Amino acid sequence: GQQLNQSPQSMFIQEGEDVSMNCTSSSIFNTWLWYKQDPGEGPVLLIALYKAGELTSNGRLTAQFGITRKDSFLNISASIPSDVGIYFCAVTGAGSYQLTFGKGTKLSVIP
Amino acid sequence: NAGVTQTPKFRVLKTGQSMTLLCAQDMNHEYMYWYRQDPGMGLRLIHYSVGEGTTAKGEVPDGYNVSRLKKQNFLLGLESAAPSQTSVYFCASSQSGATQYFGPGTRLTVT
Repeated sequence: GQQLNQSPQSMFIQEGEDVSMNCTSSSIFNTWLWYKQDPGEGPVLLIALYKAGELTSNGRLTAQFGITRKDSFLNISASIPSDVGIYFCAVTGAGSYQLTFGKGTKLSVIP
Repeated sequence: NAGVTQTPKFRVLKTGQSMTLLCAQDMNHEYMYWYRQDPGMGLRLIHYSVGEGTTAKGEVPDGYNVSRLKKQNFLLGLESAAPSQTSVYFCASSQSGATQYFGPGTRLTVT
């Protein structure tokens, strides 16, 4: 099946630092999404990207849909303790009802 | 709105036992999905439904069956549980297919 490569797998950062993570694929996709999963909870949608080159912000979060449609990044500015969790990228193709998820980036924030 | 709810939250089964996981959504969404999440594997699609009375296989359907008799409910069945089915199961719903809303999960252990 389709494979998404998320990096890094995990990261430890100091509170207040900025964070960057990315997701790449060997295939082209029409929609890229970023989800966050808190411990013991289901994933929650953070940002959805529908157009190549699109840059979208949601509070301290910024995500971009790569021009080649094969990658996306997520930035978090001025991290706080509640940013802790696992961040997943997900993609879908034209006319598809299914999402393919990356394996996640586990973020730990040191106060 | 409760969103997406799942019952039960936790369950322990012996090998060979059967059980049904229930997912309910109150957003009038057309599409519903069942995923499993294993450590280091991200979320993998088991089965999905694009409308009442329809179901389709996802990436890892073996050992599971599903039914969508009512639009708001999506049931996942395990006829003869195996230890390899120990996992956290998430249900999701969507109106468009891309933006999916997840339930809180069911943690299943098969001994």
